[in-house]
Amino acid sequence: DVKVTQSSRYLVKRTGEKVFLECVQDMDHENMFWYRQDPGLGLRLIYFSYDVKMKEKGDIPEGYSVSREKKERFSLILESASTNQTSMYLCASRHPVPTGELFFGEGSRLTVL
Amino acid sequence: QKEVEQDPGPLSVPEGAIVSLNCTYSNSAFQYFMWYRQYSRKGPELLMYTYSSGNKEDGRFTAQVDKSSKYISLFIRDSQPSDSATYLCAMSPSGNTPLVFGKGTRLSVIA
Repeated sequence: DVKVTQSSRYLVKRTGEKVFLECVQDMDHENMFWYRQDPGLGLRLIYFSYDVKMKEKGDIPEGYSVSREKKERFSLILESASTNQTSMYLCASRHPVPTGELFFGEGSRLTVL
Repeated sequence: QKEVEQDPGPLSVPEGAIVSLNCTYSNSAFQYFMWYRQYSRKGPELLMYTYSSGNKEDGRFTAQVDKSSKYISLFIRDSQPSDSATYLCAMSPSGNTPLVFGKGTRLSVIA
């Protein structure tokens, strides 16, 4: 089974802090994704990566950056956390074509005070 | 018009009922269709995957895709309290483009 591991399940940070959310997958997938999930808004794509050192903006990249130094690891960075970034953050990796199924981690619940 | 529409519910059914969950979409290029189940405070887990049109069955679950109507469905037979979760539909034109998700339908199965 594919395993996507997010390092922190629950975090509490202060406004202005720099926040790192780490994600590791064990299936040698090339494609990895970061989403945030909010009530009534569903899943929204922040950033994704097709390969090491590659990144693409999703629908809501503002206030976020990402790092992909190794194939198995995809990190989401909040340079200066704000209260409107309080959310559930979900990392996913994607099986290669032709199937393309997405596998999610357990999520990181971030609260910014 | 949103690319993927999904009734948010909540949907409440008695144990043993047949449940029908649906999504409509506007992009005729969508070829890959998936259903995810998400329990409270957990990440979504892949439930069913379908490529192009047709039906797929796995135990109590059946996924249907009607591309002519731009409509996909998930049926759950003999529903159980353990099926209580949020169900998300997702789709994409190819295996390389990001999935587009519905907002999810919250289902409660009452014992």
